[in-house]
Amino acid sequence: EVQLVESGGGLVQPGGSLRLSCAASGFTFSDHYMDWLRQAPGKGLEWVGRSRNKAYTYTTEYAASVKDRFTISRDDSKNSVYLQMNSLKIEDTAIYYCARGQCIGGGCYSGASWGQGTLVTVSS
Amino acid sequence: DIEMTQSPSLLSASVGDSVTITCRASRDISNGLVWFQQKPGKAPRSLIYAAFSLQSGVPSKFSGSGSGRDFTLTISSLQPEDFATYYCQQYKSYPLTFGQGTKVEIK
Repeated sequence: EVQLVESGGGLVQPGGSLRLSCAASGFTFSDHYMDWLRQAPGKGLEWVGRSRNKAYTYTTEYAASVKDRFTISRDDSKNSVYLQMNSLKIEDTAIYYCARGQCIGGGCYSGASWGQGTLVTVSS
Repeated sequence: DIEMTQSPSLLSASVGDSVTITCRASRDISNGLVWFQQKPGKAPRSLIYAAFSLQSGVPSKFSGSGSGRDFTLTISSLQPEDFATYYCQQYKSYPLTFGQGTKVEIK
């Protein structure tokens, strides 16, 4: 059974930093792209970024709203993906989900499987 | 960025009804579209990928169609567990983008 478990959320002041972790099990982690997505309270879904797999040299993509502030990394030996968030803003307040990417027919979509999410609150 | 526009934003329906949600992309995305269902307090769940392929384990009452810019999700014979919010996402190009969501509520 595929499992994704996020951790590391909490309350942080504007301008602060936080590192989220996502531990994966039940699939060959190293084969898969991994995404981070978020959902602000009462709002819709937003894709945050992606880590490709080793075959694509772990390259990353980011939404414009987080580029240059957030960094995605992974450790295949620990079946884990991370989201380092710096220079946090009030508008970064959201539930953050990690999701397993699924590649088919030349494209890779988010969320073949999702974690339960971890809440990040940015407030003074 | 590719903008995804869903309609309607709110859909009121009764148990047993069939409903259709539409998603329009601001430019051609071929079949690079996935549909998600989200229930309150839960993580989203993928239903349909590549515009019309049913995710494993998802009942066949859910069906998707379309290509290019226009897509639909149809849910037949609505049951109480189907009342939820539905999102489309394009994965043709970065950044991946979502529609704003369609809430299906009980009439």
